[in-house]
Amino acid sequence: QKEVEQDPGPLSVPEGAIVSLNCTYSNSAFQYFMWYRQYSRKGPELLMYTYSSGNKEDGRFTAQVDKSSKYISLFIRDSQPSDSATYLCAMKAGGYQKVTFGIGTKLQVIP
Amino acid sequence: DGGITQSPKYLFRKEGQNVTLSCEQNLNHDAMYWYRQDPGQGLRLIYYSQIVNDFQKGDIAEGYSVSREKKESFPLTVTSAQKNPTAFYLCASSIFGGEETQYFGPGTRLLVL
Repeated sequence: QKEVEQDPGPLSVPEGAIVSLNCTYSNSAFQYFMWYRQYSRKGPELLMYTYSSGNKEDGRFTAQVDKSSKYISLFIRDSQPSDSATYLCAMKAGGYQKVTFGIGTKLQVIP
Repeated sequence: DGGITQSPKYLFRKEGQNVTLSCEQNLNHDAMYWYRQDPGQGLRLIYYSQIVNDFQKGDIAEGYSVSREKKESFPLTVTSAQKNPTAFYLCASSIFGGEETQYFGPGTRLLVL
């Protein structure tokens, strides 16, 4: 079993839809949770960063962490064609630097 | 503008050749990383460095080498011992001991001739 599981998709939604992207993990030591957006042939761009459990909102993006279920989510409201990209979840435990990444979910927002 | 630069954008390697990928950052970050990205496999850590003149192997270090002579620079050499080098290579950096999020460069695509 992988430490981080993420459905690779692709996920196709109509413009304006609410998108839900998810990851599950097995390592209970993970404390820091990140979401990255990666456009084709580009480097990943940090979208959201959350420490421990709870919600964090930034514009149309909301990140949720449920440590009891070992489950994290990224919600995108009013999705736009420019949101079409691969979304990577990432997480790490405290005290050392290794980050574990999911394989990414490819999202396509149809105009 | 602060950021991470990688060069070249595309690199072609001939059989038996060593090639070096450049990574430079002006974010004043202590830690730097090299990842390899292959379709369906996500990001895999090759090497990382938390301080100048020190670096550690990641999960897939075989066939690769690095140096960290300056805080700003962390070049990666893909040696002839790496038998399957075709991939997208990403360099990242982070603050060490603070908010430990990693910031990525634009990547280098390595292809074998």
